Amino acid sequence: AQSVTQLDSQVPVFEEAPVELRCNYSSSVSVYLFWYVQYPNQGLQLLLKYLSGSTLVKGINGFEAEFNKSQTSFHLRKPSVHISDTAEYFCAVSPLGGSYIPTFGRGTSLIVHP
Amino acid sequence: NAGVTQTPKFRVLKTGQSMTLLCAQDMNHEYMYWYRQDPGMGLRLIHYSVGEGTTAKGEVPDGYNVSRLKKQNFLLGLESAAPSQTSVYFCASSYSPTGTNTEAFFGQGTRLTVV
Repeated sequence: AQSVTQLDSQVPVFEEAPVELRCNYSSSVSVYLFWYVQYPNQGLQLLLKYLSGSTLVKGINGFEAEFNKSQTSFHLRKPSVHISDTAEYFCAVSPLGGSYIPTFGRGTSLIVHP
Repeated sequence: NAGVTQTPKFRVLKTGQSMTLLCAQDMNHEYMYWYRQDPGMGLRLIHYSVGEGTTAKGEVPDGYNVSRLKKQNFLLGLESAAPSQTSVYFCASSYSPTGTNTEAFFGQGTRLTVV
């Protein structure tokens, strides 16, 4: 079985500041890694994903994430946030074995202040 | 391209009533999922399906049943609703998780209140 830990439930930040949302996972098999974003009253949509290859992955809206196998982490970063980035962010892992069903973290609420 | 469509979007039920939530996808995805989202709990998997005619239990299946009679549809049923089932329900679908297009596509959610 796998598990996902998002270390911060809420991250407040001022507009144009950098931000990092932390995600750690555990799994007995190799995994695919994902970050999803949920805007208020909407479903989740994919920000970026890591399947293989370069450990630095770039996604939509200027976000990027780095896969660190030794630390089993997949932290999400953005160098300069906008008010419109205020949303809930979910880290997810899909095991490459067994059911292949993704497991989601509990989410991090990013709040961008003007 | 509609993607994943959930109906209804909102519903209020009385304790003990039954209802069915419908999820439809037009992307020819094999895998479909039902999640519930509660404050501070993230997304928890209720049931999932890896293909037409198949279903399997997820993390929190009690009180729910599902059916996947057609590839494009995945139904979630509550036989006797309880206040603990008040939640936002999300349906999602994906291609086979072993490929490169493995991400899940989500519906807009159904907000269910049981009184």
